[in-house]
Amino acid sequence: QVQLVQSGSELKKPGASVKVSCKASGYTFTSYAMNWVRQAPGQGLEWMGWINTNTGNPTYAQGFTGRFVFSLDTSVSTAYLQISSLKAEDTAVYYCARDWAAFGVVWEFDYWGQGTLVTVSS
Amino acid sequence: QSALTQPRSVSGSPGQSVTISCTGTSSDVGGYNYVSWYQQHPGKAPKLMIYDVSKRPSGVPDRFSGSKSGNTASLTISGLQAEDEADYYCCSYAGSHVVFGGGTKLTVL
Repeated sequence: QVQLVQSGSELKKPGASVKVSCKASGYTFTSYAMNWVRQAPGQGLEWMGWINTNTGNPTYAQGFTGRFVFSLDTSVSTAYLQISSLKAEDTAVYYCARDWAAFGVVWEFDYWGQGTLVTVSS
Repeated sequence: QSALTQPRSVSGSPGQSVTISCTGTSSDVGGYNYVSWYQQHPGKAPKLMIYDVSKRPSGVPDRFSGSKSGNTASLTISGLQAEDEADYYCCSYAGSHVVFGGGTKLTVL
């Protein structure tokens, strides 16, 4: 069965960096695009962008350029989200979410990780 | 890149039907059929309920249906059950990006 398992909660100080992992299993990792979605406390969902798991090419949504980096390690079927120069407003749950279309992108997400809470506080 | 507009809350009694609207523009909801809906229970990850405007993934009850007219998409839940109480988010492709709605809290009375 398809599973996306994310790394555990993180507590970071402002200015630090964090790397969230999303390990996929139950399907061919490089056949489906991976997206990242942010949910601030008590707020709605916000699309951060996606990464082509075949080419490794990332696309970032407006507001998620510069400090945010999507990457892959296809040898272990894992996608990563790295955030640098953390700010208090980065405090949120971060989800990875698989695009349901194989060998294509439709920006509709059929499987989600369990979420990783990143807390930024001094 | 404005969020799609959803009512903050809707409610209904068990067995009734409710409809949640999602209003965008011709650049997102009105321009593409990549409209999806997600259910999120507290503390849980979102779950895909509807994709391509009106298609249901395997395992989603047929009580859930989706539609679109112009720039507004809708999610209808018929035969409300207690477990349907959750937050619901619409989502649309918008040409170069993806936009979510602000979310609607469904209360089953």
